[in-house]
Amino acid sequence: GAVVSQHPSRVICKSGTSVKIECRSLDFQATTMFWYRQFPKKSLMLMATSNEGSKATYEQGVEKDKFLINHASLTLSTLTVTSAHPEDSSFYICSAVDRGSQKLFFGSGTQLSVL
Amino acid sequence: QKEVEQNSGPLSVPEGAIASLNCTYSDRGSQSFFWYRQYSGKSPELIMSIYSNGDKEDGRFTAQLNKASQYVSLLIRDSQPSDSATYLCAVNTGYSSASKIIFGSGTRLSIRP
Repeated sequence: GAVVSQHPSRVICKSGTSVKIECRSLDFQATTMFWYRQFPKKSLMLMATSNEGSKATYEQGVEKDKFLINHASLTLSTLTVTSAHPEDSSFYICSAVDRGSQKLFFGSGTQLSVL
Repeated sequence: QKEVEQNSGPLSVPEGAIASLNCTYSDRGSQSFFWYRQYSGKSPELIMSIYSNGDKEDGRFTAQLNKASQYVSLLIRDSQPSDSATYLCAVNTGYSSASKIIFGSGTRLSIRP
């Protein structure tokens, strides 16, 4: 199946620092990528939709200045958590839509811990 | 009303039996339907996709779609302990890949030996 690479898989940082998470579609082109966060034993919460070459669309309640999304190419989207705080600690997952099959594939996730 | 609803479970099924997972959705214009399996601490993995009414079989898995009833289900035959996971129902509410895919809250399935 299609592969979506996400890294880092785990990051621990100090409060106030910024963290960048990368999401790459390895064997298909993805005009659309999604970013989610997931708290323990909870479902995925869509944060934003990332469209190649245009500004991301953020869900209600998600601060666009805090969660910066860049989708500069058909295979790469990045999420930067700026000035991270302990409440930002969560599991962040990206997904990409295969333009050919229209199927959605997930990255392996990034566990962010902010101290 | 939630857009995609699932029973949170846990659903406990004996090994070798059929596990039946159900999902309803509110947007009648939805076009694509997916089932994902998620193990604890891991990201979701696509199991099945279904686009038209009826049944679609893939190995031990069968997805069933009824657009009139706005209902999609997943059957797992010959359940194995490795099937124990959370199963997420997902619905694409539009016609293109740019459409939003909505997830249900997931059903926890436990296969008991």
